Amino acid sequence: DGGITQSPKYLFRKEGQNVTLSCEQNLNHDAMYWYRQDPGQGLRLIYYSQIVNDFQKGDIAEGYSVSREKKESFPLTVTSAQKNPTAFYLCASSIRRGSDTQYFGPGTRLTVL
Amino acid sequence: GQNIDQPTEMTATEGAIVQINCTYQTSGFNGLFWYQQHAGEAPTFLSYNVLDGLEEKGRFSSFLSRSKGYSYLLLKELQMKDSASYLCAVRYQTDSWGKLQFGAGTQVVVTP
Repeated sequence: DGGITQSPKYLFRKEGQNVTLSCEQNLNHDAMYWYRQDPGQGLRLIYYSQIVNDFQKGDIAEGYSVSREKKESFPLTVTSAQKNPTAFYLCASSIRRGSDTQYFGPGTRLTVL
Repeated sequence: GQNIDQPTEMTATEGAIVQINCTYQTSGFNGLFWYQQHAGEAPTFLSYNVLDGLEEKGRFSSFLSRSKGYSYLLLKELQMKDSASYLCAVRYQTDSWGKLQFGAGTQVVVTP
């Protein structure tokens, strides 16, 4: 079955530690995205990638980093510089950049203690 | 940024109809999406409108008026499983790739 997987579902980290969230897709989509969701707010774009070895900052990139070494994978690192990292993180992909429907993974809930 | 406005919460009884409105700024508009999101889960795609009018998909319909900056999602014959948050997202062609701007979501509560 084709789809987007994110792991783990729940993640706990101590303040000051970097943490990497996994996102893998086998849909053969070119574009991938990372969003953050907080209660009472819309999804906010952190980073996006239109093609392998290329990525761009979204609206709230500070304190985050990404890589796109393979078409299938787009990991997100939440660094200690992110002031408010506790949130629900969603990865998405689309066939091409921006112009197509985005399909979402199941999400990772990160709690920083 | 471009504000996407939708009501915070709506309550309806099983079998009824609910209409979720979404308003947005029209400048640079290039398409509108509706997603359904159950608590703690991924948003799932429901519908896409880029031209004026009504798109019907089973119990769900979505309407768009580009000149008014207005869309609605209509849920008919409500079922308990329709209790979820419904996200309105607008694509703006403000740069070369047209990113999505999401509303905060409307929580629909279906009661027996």
